[in-house]
Amino acid sequence: DTEVTQTPKHLVMGMTNKKSLKCEQHMGHRAMYWYKQKAKKPPELMFVYSYEKLSINESVPSRFSPECPNSSLLNLHLHALQPEDSALYLCASSQDKLGGGNTIYFGEGSWLTVV
Amino acid sequence: LAKTTQPISMDSYEGQEVNITCSHNNIATNDYITWYQQFPSQGPRFIIQGYKTKVTNEVASLFIPADRKSSTLSLPRVSLSDTAVYYCLVGARNDYKLSFGAGTTVTVRA
Repeated sequence: DTEVTQTPKHLVMGMTNKKSLKCEQHMGHRAMYWYKQKAKKPPELMFVYSYEKLSINESVPSRFSPECPNSSLLNLHLHALQPEDSALYLCASSQDKLGGGNTIYFGEGSWLTVV
Repeated sequence: LAKTTQPISMDSYEGQEVNITCSHNNIATNDYITWYQQFPSQGPRFIIQGYKTKVTNEVASLFIPADRKSSTLSLPRVSLSDTAVYYCLVGARNDYKLSFGAGTTVTVRA
């Protein structure tokens, strides 16, 4: 069972809507991630927060706005999305920087459909 | 970032051993090798991680040769429930980036 919890599991939104995806972890991890995964493709990194500060933005369009209110929570605010943004959005966390044997733990994902 | 190359797909039968080899020719000194399993409509799940030689846990074994330019994930006696996509990742040095390659779709048949 994953210790990274994502809500909602499914979301359908119109192109003019504003919605948010939420993620929570209670493992004491200090790095949190958003990945996007299209069908039959590998996950693609979007954002990384380290110690509640945005560390990496992989040139993600501004219609996706991440937020890290505290070390346990990560949000992804969505506004004016396009149908091609429909995908599985995965939240993940890790203890600290990678390369030192730290493992990323993923949530079950939020399925987003933009209509 | 060390790029990884894996076979696109592999077929097996229940009870057999499945070995998936991943190439990572430009792996850095401080990089670790991690394997994830992903079922449809679920997030990736950590399987095993290693730095060199051999690592074994209750799920799989990971074999890493001395030059570390490749690694092999071994799944003993697979069952139908092992049908999934398996990703090999190499941990970036002093960085948070962890890029997924295309992965290997393993299909286990009865």
